[in-house]
Amino acid sequence: NAGVTQTPKFRVLKTGQSMTLLCAQDMNHEYMYWYRQDPGMGLRLIHYSVGEGTTAKGEVPDGYNVSRLKKQNFLLGLESAAPSQTSVYFCASSWDWETQYFGPGTRLLVL
Amino acid sequence: AQKITQTQPGMFVQEKEAVTLDCTYDTSDQSYGLFWYKQPSSGEMIFLIYQGSYDEQNATEGRYSLNFQKARKSANLVISASQLGDSAMYFCAMRGTGGSQGNLIFGKGTKLSVKP
Repeated sequence: NAGVTQTPKFRVLKTGQSMTLLCAQDMNHEYMYWYRQDPGMGLRLIHYSVGEGTTAKGEVPDGYNVSRLKKQNFLLGLESAAPSQTSVYFCASSWDWETQYFGPGTRLLVL
Repeated sequence: AQKITQTQPGMFVQEKEAVTLDCTYDTSDQSYGLFWYKQPSSGEMIFLIYQGSYDEQNATEGRYSLNFQKARKSANLVISASQLGDSAMYFCAMRGTGGSQGNLIFGKGTKLSVKP
C-alpha cells in the first residue's frame, strides 16, 4: 500500500496563477483532509471531506476550493494564488474522526 | 475555544536516555482525543500515539507512552531509550468537537535533538 500520496511535491507559482493539488489514498478511508503548515506553527485545517461528493470548510478555507469526486481522491484548488498561500500543504485521511494518516506534503512557493 | 500548548520550543536529550515532551490542552468537552505526531527533517507527519479522554490507562506504543493527566489537562509524550533517529519536531494535537470534529488542532511543536 502506498498510503497517502500527494502530487506535486514542489511547485512555484506566480501571483494570480491557478493550480490543483492532488491527494490520493489507497486505504479505503472515508474521511480526507487538507492542511497547511507555516513556519513556527502547527498544521491548520483548510477543508475536509467525510465521504465521496461531500466537502466542508475548516479553519482557514479562504482562497481555496476542494472536490471529492472519487472516494480515493481529494483535490485542493487555488484559483488565484497569492504570496500568503506560500506554505507546505498536507493531505490526510482517516476511517473516522480518529487517527489521521498524512501524505508527504507539497511545498508551494507563490512569487 | 480548544487549544493545545507546547511550552518547550526545543529539547536536548542524550542518546539512550528518556525524555518527556510537554503538552497541555484546553477544552470544555467531555469526549475528545489526543494525538502525538513526529515530523522529521524530511517533512512527513508520522502518527505516534493516541489517547482517548475516556481511556483509563495511559496509551503505549513501543518506546512511546502518553502520560495522560486528565485533571491537569496534560498529555505528555514520554520517549524511552532515545535514539538518534528520534531527532525531529513533535506535535501534540487534539481532535476538535461539534462542527469542527474533523479538525485536528495542533500545538506549535517541540524540536527534539538527540545527542550521541
